[in-house]
Amino acid sequence: DTAVSQTPKYLVTQMGNDKSIKCEQNLGHDTMYWYKQDSKKFLKIMFSYNNKELIINETVPNRFSPKSPDKAHLNLHINSLELGDSAVYFCASSRGLAGFNEQFFGPGTRLTVL
Amino acid sequence: AQTVTQSQPEMSVQEAETVTLSCTYDTSESNYYLFWYKQPPSRQMILVIRQEAYKQQNATENRFSVNFQKAAKSFSLKISDSQLGDTAMYFCAFMRWSGGSNYKLTFGKGTLLTVNP
Repeated sequence: DTAVSQTPKYLVTQMGNDKSIKCEQNLGHDTMYWYKQDSKKFLKIMFSYNNKELIINETVPNRFSPKSPDKAHLNLHINSLELGDSAVYFCASSRGLAGFNEQFFGPGTRLTVL
Repeated sequence: AQTVTQSQPEMSVQEAETVTLSCTYDTSESNYYLFWYKQPPSRQMILVIRQEAYKQQNATENRFSVNFQKAAKSFSLKISDSQLGDTAMYFCAFMRWSGGSNYKLTFGKGTLLTVNP
């Protein structure tokens, strides 16, 4: 059983399009995250939700909009895609916010913008 | 802002040998968490080991152990009896102790470790 799943795993699209990436966790966690890993493998937090409330929003362009319909889901919608958005996007979840709670990562979604 | 530095972009080791990956960080906090994550070619991020800054004892998980030097702000990972499956990118990460918006992992740029047969 996949603990944190993301769909799709690969996404190829044209500049200017709008796309969404979905994330679901079946661990019963109440905190979920989106990270971006660029072409140099650098990982950076984008957003964090705790009990469906936005906790972290890290200077991400407002073309990126996370949505958490319930505690088990955190989707990422991206408007007007740009070449620089090409990256691997990871969803993660944890039980609570504290650092001693391990973050479990999804398999990642590789987004390629042409 | 916290920063995490991994000074070794790439390393290699022979199977069954021991290798140490370096990590330094910068913070003014006294309490925090440190982590090592592994990302094999499958892309999956896997937690390897975790250290709470208030604990003086170095964390160990089977073949993986850390050398945590709080005064030096150093957090190195030692892998003993290296196995081919240890080939991966290894990321050092930092998290502050408390405060809602502080609960985020700050990652280093990673060290690509290759275990050779």
